[in-house]
Amino acid sequence: AQSVTQLGSHVSVSEGALVLLRCNYSSSVPPYLFWYVQYPNQGLQLLLKYTSAATLVKGINGFEAEFKKSETSFHLTKPSAHMSDAAEYFCAVSRPPNDYKLSFGAGTTVTVRA
Amino acid sequence: KAGVTQTPRYLIKTRGQQVTLSCSPISGHRSVSWYQQTPGQGLQFLFEYFSETQRNKGNFPGRFSGRQFSNSRSEMNVSTLELGDSALYLCASSPVAVGSNEQFFGPGTRLTVL
Repeated sequence: AQSVTQLGSHVSVSEGALVLLRCNYSSSVPPYLFWYVQYPNQGLQLLLKYTSAATLVKGINGFEAEFKKSETSFHLTKPSAHMSDAAEYFCAVSRPPNDYKLSFGAGTTVTVRA
Repeated sequence: KAGVTQTPRYLIKTRGQQVTLSCSPISGHRSVSWYQQTPGQGLQFLFEYFSETQRNKGNFPGRFSGRQFSNSRSEMNVSTLELGDSALYLCASSPVAVGSNEQFFGPGTRLTVL
């Protein structure tokens, strides 16, 4: 079985500061990993995904994440926070190559201070 | 391409009633998954359909059921509604490309059970 742990349910950052959201996974096989963002009253939007290619993955809106097998981590970062980054972020895992069930972490709410 | 659409967006029902939610995937996508999102339990996988067949199922009671039509549109049904069924129900579709489990989410249906 695979699962995801997101450290920190709330993160507050100043505008222009680094955003770091932590995600650790447990999986019996090398997984596929995803970061999604959810704005209020909306569905989930894919930020980026890791599917066993490059370990450093670049996504939309300036976000990137690095897959570290030794640490079983897939932390999300953005060098400079913008007010529009305020949202809830979810890390998710699935079992490749064709298991479409996503197991999600509990989510991290990001607030951005002016 | 149009995104995943879900209808209705909001729904209010009373305990004991049943409800049907609809999801239209992105054109060409053949896999449709359903998720329940609640503040207490987070995002939980309900089931996944591919070519009109349920391919994967989460840990939900039999009151939750679904189906997929030949045009890939999907419906989920919840019978004998309980207060705890109040949630945001999200549908996601996938192109089912080898090497990518990427799923695209709709805006969700907000179900309130009174």
